[in-house]
Amino acid sequence: KQEVTQIPAALSVPEGENLVLNCSFTDSAIYNLQWFRQDPGKGLTSLLLIQSSQREQTSGRLNASLDKSSGRSTLYIAASQPGDSATYLCAVNYGGSQGNLIFGKGTKLSVKP
Amino acid sequence: GAVVSQHPSRVICKSGTSVKIECRSLDFQATTMFWYRQFPKQSLMLMATSNEGSKATYEQGVEKDKFLINHASLTLSTLTVTSAHPEDSSFYICSATNSVEQFFGPGTRLTVL
Repeated sequence: KQEVTQIPAALSVPEGENLVLNCSFTDSAIYNLQWFRQDPGKGLTSLLLIQSSQREQTSGRLNASLDKSSGRSTLYIAASQPGDSATYLCAVNYGGSQGNLIFGKGTKLSVKP
Repeated sequence: GAVVSQHPSRVICKSGTSVKIECRSLDFQATTMFWYRQFPKQSLMLMATSNEGSKATYEQGVEKDKFLINHASLTLSTLTVTSAHPEDSSFYICSATNSVEQFFGPGTRLTVL
């Protein structure tokens, strides 16, 4: 069964810290992997998309890495800000260009001012 | 990035009524759309895959006669929750793919009294 696991489930850090969110997946034959942000009661905001052939993607203070062989991805957030507080979801696509996403349960991040 | 809209954003209805949720891709054509459901403190779970011009494919445990999906055009998919009950109260999110990336709608919060 293809599963996506995110650790930790919740994380609280002081403002300014660098932090890492972890995502692991059971089947390494992925098509791509996406990181999303979800604010309470809201939809999803796509942060980074990593294709299976890529090792990492960067956008501003965010960096996502992908290691297919070990079934892991990390989302690195530099110099965290209170506005980064949200739930971060990792999702894996196994089905190709028309494939659905399998989501982890998310990491709820709280950045304290 | 591409934009996906959902309507309504929030709906409250009485038990036994039917509710229709629309998902539109605003600036691209989507041959495939997905419907996800998210219960409180849980991750998104795929309900069904909606293919333009053909019947939707439902995930195991999702009743196709209860959750009617119509994908009449390349930019519109609808989900109708028939005879809704309180246990159907959830956050419903659609996504559409442009064959490279999935783009998510803002979600619809359904509350069945």
